[in-house]
Amino acid sequence: AQTVTQSQPEMSVQEAETVTLSCTYDTSENNYYLFWYKQPPSRQMILVIRQEAYKQQNATENRFSVNFQKAAKSFSLKISDSQLGDTAMYFCAFTPIYSGAGSYQLTFGKGTKLSVIP
Amino acid sequence: DAGVIQSPRHEVTEMGQEVTLRCKPISGHDYLFWYRQTMMRGLELLIYFNNNVPIDDSGMPEDRFSAKMPNASFSTLKIQPSEPRDSAVYFCASSLAETTYEQYFGPGTRLTVT
Repeated sequence: AQTVTQSQPEMSVQEAETVTLSCTYDTSENNYYLFWYKQPPSRQMILVIRQEAYKQQNATENRFSVNFQKAAKSFSLKISDSQLGDTAMYFCAFTPIYSGAGSYQLTFGKGTKLSVIP
Repeated sequence: DAGVIQSPRHEVTEMGQEVTLRCKPISGHDYLFWYRQTMMRGLELLIYFNNNVPIDDSGMPEDRFSAKMPNASFSTLKIQPSEPRDSAVYFCASSLAETTYEQYFGPGTRLTVT
Protein backbone atom coordinates (compact mmCIF):
# COMPACT_ATOMS: atom_id res chain seq x y z
CA ALA A 1 0.00 0.00 0.00
CA GLN A 2 1.12 3.50 -0.72
CA THR A 3 1.33 6.21 1.92
CA VAL A 4 1.85 9.94 1.60
CA THR A 5 3.15 11.99 4.51
CA GLN A 6 3.05 15.75 4.91
CA SER A 7 4.90 16.55 8.11
CA GLN A 8 3.99 20.24 8.31
CA PRO A 9 0.35 20.70 9.39
CA GLU A 10 0.60 24.48 9.16
CA MET A 11 3.00 27.02 7.68
CA SER A 12 3.04 30.73 7.11
CA VAL A 13 4.98 33.00 4.77
CA GLN A 14 5.24 36.70 4.18
CA GLU A 15 3.79 38.01 0.96
CA ALA A 16 6.41 38.00 -1.86
CA GLU A 17 8.62 35.54 -0.01
CA THR A 18 9.36 31.91 -0.92
CA VAL A 19 8.05 28.89 0.95
CA THR A 20 8.66 25.15 0.59
CA LEU A 21 6.12 22.50 1.56
CA SER A 22 7.38 18.99 2.26
CA CYS A 23 5.99 15.64 1.16
CA THR A 24 7.36 12.13 1.42
CA TYR A 25 5.79 8.95 0.14
CA ASP A 26 6.27 5.24 0.39
CA THR A 27 5.73 2.85 -2.49
CA SER A 28 7.17 -0.24 -4.08
CA GLU A 29 6.08 0.93 -7.52
CA ASN A 30 8.62 2.24 -10.00
CA ASN A 31 6.25 4.16 -12.24
CA TYR A 32 3.92 6.70 -10.75
CA TYR A 33 2.72 10.28 -10.79
CA LEU A 34 2.91 12.80 -8.00
CA PHE A 35 0.69 15.84 -7.65
CA TRP A 36 0.18 18.92 -5.56
CA TYR A 37 -3.41 20.05 -5.16
CA LYS A 38 -4.53 23.34 -3.65
CA GLN A 39 -7.75 23.69 -1.66
CA PRO A 40 -8.62 27.34 -0.89
CA PRO A 41 -11.38 28.29 1.55
CA SER A 42 -13.86 27.87 -1.31
CA ARG A 43 -13.22 24.13 -0.88
CA GLN A 44 -12.50 23.57 -4.59
CA MET A 45 -9.62 21.15 -5.22
CA ILE A 46 -7.30 22.66 -7.83
CA LEU A 47 -4.40 20.84 -9.48
CA VAL A 48 -1.24 22.90 -9.04
CA ILE A 49 1.51 20.75 -10.54
CA ARG A 50 2.27 17.21 -11.68
CA GLN A 51 5.49 15.17 -11.81
CA GLU A 52 6.06 11.91 -13.64
CA ALA A 53 8.41 9.60 -11.74
CA TYR A 54 10.29 8.61 -14.88
CA LYS A 55 11.23 12.22 -15.62
CA GLN A 56 14.33 13.47 -13.87
CA GLN A 57 13.59 17.10 -14.64
CA ASN A 58 11.61 18.85 -11.93
CA ALA A 59 8.23 20.19 -13.01
CA THR A 60 7.54 23.93 -12.92
CA GLU A 61 4.35 25.95 -13.37
CA ASN A 62 4.91 29.68 -13.17
CA ARG A 63 5.65 30.46 -9.50
CA PHE A 64 5.29 26.81 -8.48
CA SER A 65 8.09 24.27 -8.77
CA VAL A 66 8.90 20.91 -7.25
CA ASN A 67 12.02 19.23 -5.94
CA PHE A 68 11.57 15.56 -6.79
CA GLN A 69 14.06 13.19 -5.20
CA LYS A 70 13.05 9.70 -6.31
CA ALA A 71 15.61 7.76 -4.28
CA ALA A 72 14.62 9.62 -1.14
CA LYS A 73 10.91 9.42 -2.06
CA SER A 74 10.59 13.12 -1.49
CA PHE A 75 8.43 15.59 -3.41
CA SER A 76 8.48 19.15 -2.08
CA LEU A 77 6.62 22.16 -3.48
CA LYS A 78 8.25 25.56 -3.70
CA ILE A 79 6.09 28.64 -4.06
CA SER A 80 7.99 31.74 -5.13
CA ASP A 81 6.79 35.32 -4.75
CA SER A 82 3.94 34.21 -2.48
CA GLN A 83 0.62 35.95 -3.01
CA LEU A 84 -2.39 36.35 -0.74
CA GLY A 85 -4.34 34.10 -3.09
CA ASP A 86 -1.95 31.26 -2.31
CA THR A 87 -3.50 30.94 1.14
CA ALA A 88 -4.99 27.44 1.13
CA MET A 89 -4.59 23.82 2.16
CA TYR A 90 -2.05 22.05 -0.01
CA PHE A 91 -2.28 18.31 -0.56
CA CYS A 92 0.40 16.04 -1.93
CA ALA A 93 -0.99 13.04 -3.84
CA PHE A 94 0.36 9.88 -5.43
CA THR A 95 -0.97 7.49 -8.05
CA PRO A 96 0.75 4.37 -9.41
CA ILE A 97 0.86 3.69 -13.12
CA TYR A 98 -0.23 0.17 -13.98
CA SER A 99 -3.21 -1.48 -15.52
CA GLY A 100 -5.98 -3.13 -13.63
CA ALA A 101 -7.85 -2.47 -10.42
CA GLY A 102 -6.09 -0.19 -8.01
CA SER A 103 -4.59 1.99 -10.68
CA TYR A 104 -5.65 5.59 -11.13
CA GLN A 105 -6.33 5.86 -7.41
CA LEU A 106 -5.04 9.02 -5.82
CA THR A 107 -3.62 8.63 -2.31
CA PHE A 108 -3.52 11.97 -0.52
CA GLY A 109 -1.45 13.29 2.34
CA LYS A 110 -3.20 14.97 5.27
CA GLY A 111 -2.40 18.43 3.94
CA THR A 112 -0.46 21.55 4.93
CA LYS A 113 -2.36 24.71 5.76
CA LEU A 114 -0.47 27.65 4.24
CA SER A 115 -1.18 31.21 5.30
CA VAL A 116 0.29 34.10 3.32
CA ILE A 117 0.70 37.13 5.56
CA PRO A 118 0.41 40.63 4.07
CA ASP B 1 -16.54 23.82 -20.09
CA ALA B 2 -18.50 24.15 -16.86
CA GLY B 3 -16.28 21.74 -14.98
CA VAL B 4 -17.52 18.98 -12.69
CA ILE B 5 -20.91 19.88 -11.24
CA GLN B 6 -22.14 18.59 -7.91
CA SER B 7 -25.45 19.08 -6.18
CA PRO B 8 -26.47 19.98 -3.62
CA ARG B 9 -23.62 22.12 -2.27
CA HIS B 10 -24.89 21.68 1.25
CA GLU B 11 -27.15 19.04 2.74
CA VAL B 12 -28.42 18.83 6.29
CA THR B 13 -30.45 15.78 7.23
CA GLU B 14 -31.50 13.81 10.25
CA MET B 15 -30.08 10.47 11.21
CA GLY B 16 -31.87 7.63 9.49
CA GLN B 17 -32.84 9.61 6.41
CA GLU B 18 -31.76 8.75 2.88
CA VAL B 19 -29.29 11.12 1.25
CA THR B 20 -28.52 11.33 -2.46
CA LEU B 21 -25.56 13.27 -3.80
CA ARG B 22 -25.31 14.02 -7.49
CA CYS B 23 -22.46 14.56 -9.93
CA LYS B 24 -22.15 15.58 -13.55
CA PRO B 25 -18.61 14.95 -14.87
CA ILE B 26 -16.84 17.00 -17.50
CA SER B 27 -18.22 16.14 -20.92
CA GLY B 28 -16.09 13.51 -22.64
CA HIS B 29 -14.40 12.29 -19.48
CA ASP B 30 -14.66 8.53 -19.03
CA TYR B 31 -13.47 8.13 -15.43
CA LEU B 32 -15.48 9.28 -12.44
CA PHE B 33 -14.36 9.20 -8.81
CA TRP B 34 -16.17 9.74 -5.51
CA TYR B 35 -14.10 10.94 -2.51
CA ARG B 36 -14.92 11.75 1.09
CA GLN B 37 -13.02 14.37 3.10
CA THR B 38 -13.03 14.52 6.90
CA MET B 39 -10.70 16.15 9.40
CA MET B 40 -9.81 12.81 10.94
CA ARG B 41 -9.24 10.73 7.81
CA GLY B 42 -8.44 13.32 5.17
CA LEU B 43 -9.37 12.57 1.56
CA GLU B 44 -10.45 9.00 0.87
CA LEU B 45 -11.43 7.40 -2.42
CA LEU B 46 -14.80 5.68 -2.07
CA ILE B 47 -15.40 4.28 -5.57
CA TYR B 48 -14.53 4.95 -9.18
CA PHE B 49 -16.12 4.21 -12.55
CA ASN B 50 -14.74 3.72 -16.03
CA ASN B 51 -17.20 4.11 -18.90
CA ASN B 52 -20.06 3.97 -16.38
CA VAL B 53 -18.88 0.64 -14.92
CA PRO B 54 -17.76 0.49 -11.27
CA ILE B 55 -14.11 -0.59 -11.20
CA ASP B 56 -13.15 -0.45 -7.54
CA ASP B 57 -15.55 0.09 -4.65
CA SER B 58 -13.23 -1.14 -1.90
CA GLY B 59 -13.31 2.29 -0.31
CA MET B 60 -17.05 2.29 0.26
CA PRO B 61 -17.34 2.19 4.04
CA GLU B 62 -20.32 -0.13 4.38
CA ASP B 63 -23.50 -1.37 2.79
CA ARG B 64 -25.30 1.83 3.64
CA PHE B 65 -23.35 3.47 0.82
CA SER B 66 -24.12 2.84 -2.84
CA ALA B 67 -23.11 4.56 -6.07
CA LYS B 68 -24.47 4.39 -9.58
CA MET B 69 -23.59 5.81 -12.94
CA PRO B 70 -26.55 5.24 -15.27
CA ASN B 71 -24.95 7.19 -18.12
CA ALA B 72 -21.79 9.07 -19.03
CA SER B 73 -23.06 12.39 -17.73
CA PHE B 74 -24.53 11.51 -14.34
CA SER B 75 -23.62 9.70 -11.15
CA THR B 76 -25.17 9.41 -7.71
CA LEU B 77 -23.85 8.50 -4.28
CA LYS B 78 -26.57 7.37 -1.91
CA ILE B 79 -26.43 6.85 1.84
CA GLN B 80 -29.31 4.96 3.39
CA PRO B 81 -29.78 5.21 6.33
CA SER B 82 -27.53 8.14 7.13
CA GLU B 83 -25.64 8.42 10.42
CA PRO B 84 -23.90 11.36 12.14
CA ARG B 85 -20.48 9.83 11.36
CA ASP B 86 -21.25 10.23 7.66
CA SER B 87 -20.93 13.99 8.06
CA ALA B 88 -18.16 15.06 5.67
CA VAL B 89 -17.48 16.80 2.39
CA TYR B 90 -18.06 14.52 -0.57
CA PHE B 91 -16.19 15.24 -3.78
CA CYS B 92 -16.75 13.98 -7.27
CA ALA B 93 -13.89 14.08 -9.77
CA SER B 94 -13.56 13.11 -13.42
CA SER B 95 -10.73 12.44 -15.83
CA LEU B 96 -10.03 11.42 -19.40
CA ALA B 97 -8.35 8.11 -20.21
CA GLU B 98 -5.45 9.69 -22.05
CA THR B 99 -4.82 11.99 -19.11
CA THR B 100 -6.24 9.74 -16.41
CA TYR B 101 -3.73 10.79 -13.88
CA GLU B 102 -5.09 14.33 -13.78
CA GLN B 103 -8.38 14.41 -11.96
CA TYR B 104 -10.67 17.44 -12.03
CA PHE B 105 -12.72 17.95 -8.90
CA GLY B 106 -16.18 19.34 -8.36
CA PRO B 107 -16.91 21.90 -5.62
CA GLY B 108 -18.00 19.20 -3.18
CA THR B 109 -21.14 18.60 -1.14
CA ARG B 110 -20.97 19.35 2.57
CA LEU B 111 -23.17 16.78 4.32
CA THR B 112 -24.26 17.23 7.91
CA VAL B 113 -26.22 14.45 9.58
CA THR B 114 -27.79 15.43 12.90
